[in-house]
Amino acid sequence: GAVVSQHPSWVICKSGTSVKIECRSLDFQATTMFWYRQFPKQSLMLMATSNEGSKATYEQGVEKDKFLINHASLTLSTLTVTSAHPEDSSFYICSAKDSGEKLFFGSGTQLSVL
Amino acid sequence: GEDVEQSLFLSVREGDSSVINCTYTDSSSTYLYWYKQEPGAGLQLLTYIFSNMDMKQDQRLTVLLNKKDKHLSLRIADTQTGDSAIYFCAEGAGNNRKLIWGLGTSLAVNP
Repeated sequence: GAVVSQHPSWVICKSGTSVKIECRSLDFQATTMFWYRQFPKQSLMLMATSNEGSKATYEQGVEKDKFLINHASLTLSTLTVTSAHPEDSSFYICSAKDSGEKLFFGSGTQLSVL
Repeated sequence: GEDVEQSLFLSVREGDSSVINCTYTDSSSTYLYWYKQEPGAGLQLLTYIFSNMDMKQDQRLTVLLNKKDKHLSLRIADTQTGDSAIYFCAEGAGNNRKLIWGLGTSLAVNP
């Protein structure tokens, strides 16, 4: 089946620094990728929808200047958490949609901001 | 607005069947999904069903869809300890297939 690679799996950073998370579709082209955030014992929260070659669409309440999304190619989308703070500590997951109706998920990135 | 609800916990004995239920509100949903999340891991697509289907079976998994009642269920036959995980129900909404998620059902399988 289709594979989505997300990197890194976990990252620890200092408050005020920026962190970039990569999401790659390895064996298919993904015109649309999604970024989610998951707090402990809660459901996934969609942060933004990323379309290749255009600006991402952010969900209400998600700061676009803080969570920068770039979808420059059909196989790569990146999420950059700028000036990270402890409250940004969370589990971030990306997904990619193939030409059909399936969504394939990355394995997630656990971000801890000290 | 769009909403997906599912019970938060389910506990079964090893070897029994598990049934996880889900209700949704968007009658225009085309696809409905079941995802599995194991501890410390990402999400794994288990199965999905197209809205014009009533049932879909895949090995130990059976998905039942009652479109009239907007009710979706996932049955796991012969539940094993390795099935212990959180199971998310999701409906596909909108042209871009943005998924609306339930809170997840935590399945505990007891030996």
